[in-house]
Amino acid sequence: SYVLTQPPSVSVAPGKTARITCGGNNIGGKSVHWYQKKPGQAPVLVISYNSDRPSGIPERFSGTNSGTTATLTISRVEGGDEADYYCQVWDSSSDHTVFGGGTKLTVL
Amino acid sequence: EVQLVESGGGVVQPGRSLRLSCAASGFNFDEYAMHWVRQAPGKGLEWVSGVSWNSGSIGYADSVKGRFAISRDNAKNSLYLQMNSLTAEDTALYYCAKDIRRASGPTLFDYWGQGTLITVSS
Repeated sequence: SYVLTQPPSVSVAPGKTARITCGGNNIGGKSVHWYQKKPGQAPVLVISYNSDRPSGIPERFSGTNSGTTATLTISRVEGGDEADYYCQVWDSSSDHTVFGGGTKLTVL
Repeated sequence: EVQLVESGGGVVQPGRSLRLSCAASGFNFDEYAMHWVRQAPGKGLEWVSGVSWNSGSIGYADSVKGRFAISRDNAKNSLYLQMNSLTAEDTALYYCAKDIRRASGPTLFDYWGQGTLITVSS
């Protein structure tokens, strides 16, 4: 089955840039979606189709996808961005939805 | 406003069954695929199952295939998950999620409920 690999944690100071990676075999050939998950809250879609921002998501959130790595970039990080972030793809070979293991973003 | 409200959670003994429900409102329920996604305590998100808009296509994660059954009632704007032969590994917060498409795959979840907690314990 298809596996997505994320770093368990990323730390960044307020105002700096956070980059969260999501690795997978030829992930550049897939559409990657990113979700933000805060404790006690439902997940929120922050990036769809590798780099599209849904309505209401700040421009500080952006995404790229190429080769074996997709990246979620959060610019000018704020305390409110502290959350777990999950990448997600559709694995057509198994007809399964796959999530990465999640990355905990800590704002120092 | 899109709303997804899960119910049916609780504490259940290993080997027993439970049925979850998700009441949807604020959108044309019969035009979109729907899914269940779970999160075990301290763990990440795991897709459980999905059903297309007309129930014509259904999928399950390997971890629940043969034990869980997803269904929907478009007349009642409701999604269900029948969970049988439950084990401790099924303990999790179960989310109902709306897809942006009619088909059950490829998936992209644009709205999620708040979840309902299932604890499997003797």
